[in-house]
Amino acid sequence: QSVLTQPPSVSGAPGQRVTISCTGSSSNIGAGYDVHWYQQLPGAAPKLLISRNSNRPSGVPDRFSGSKSGTSASLAITGLQAEDEADYYCQSYDSSLSGSSVVFGGGTKLTVL
Amino acid sequence: QITLKESGPTLVKPTQTLTLTCTLSGFSLSTSGVGVGWVRQPPGKALEWLALIYWDDYKRYSPSLKSRLTITKDTSKSQVVLTMTNMDPVDTATYYCAHLLLQGVHFDYWGQGTLVTVSS
Repeated sequence: QSVLTQPPSVSGAPGQRVTISCTGSSSNIGAGYDVHWYQQLPGAAPKLLISRNSNRPSGVPDRFSGSKSGTSASLAITGLQAEDEADYYCQSYDSSLSGSSVVFGGGTKLTVL
Repeated sequence: QITLKESGPTLVKPTQTLTLTCTLSGFSLSTSGVGVGWVRQPPGKALEWLALIYWDDYKRYSPSLKSRLTITKDTSKSQVVLTMTNMDPVDTATYYCAHLLLQGVHFDYWGQGTLVTVSS
C-alpha cells in the first residue's frame, strides 16, 4: 500500500489529453512538500519528468505539465503520442511522528490506444 | 555529465547480506545540497525508496526497512554503498541508485539499475 495514491491505469488515443492524479495527505503533499513525476519506459530506469510540482527538466516536451493543490497533484499529457506509453510515478516527502522519508505512488500505466 | 552505476551480486541466498555499490561520475558528494539515494523495484511492481545520504553525511532510511539497511559514502572513491541484511526472496528486485537534490528532495539522474535475485 503506497503512501501516495495513483490510478493503476489510464488510457487515451493519440492526440488526446490525459491526466494522472496523485493523492497524498497532510503529512506529505498537504504539508507543503514538493511533488515530482517520473516516466519509466518498458525495461528502462525511471526518468525525471516534472520536478518541484511543475518544472520540466531540460529536454522534456512541453506536452507534459504538473500541478499541485492541497493534498493532491496531477500530471497532464497533451497531444498524446505512442512513445508516451509508459509507467508514471509521483514522488514526494513525508514527515510524521515515525520520521521522515521519501515516498512514491504506486504507479500508473499509460496505454496509448 | 552526471552518471551513476550500480554494481554488486546478481544472486544472493536467503539470510545473506547484500552489498551494493553505486559509482558516481560527473559530480562530487562533497558538494553542498547533493545526495544519493537508493530505490528498488520488484519485478512488475512499483518503485520503493530505501535510503539516502547527503553531502554532509545526513542519512535517512525507509521506516519499514530501517533495521536492515546501512548507507555509507566514500567521497574520495566517488562511491555510495548500501548494505541490506537478512535477505529474503521478497527482496528480489532491480536496485537503482540516483542523484538526489536536497532542494525539493528528488532524483534527477538515475543509474541503469541492477537486478538482484534472492534464492537458495
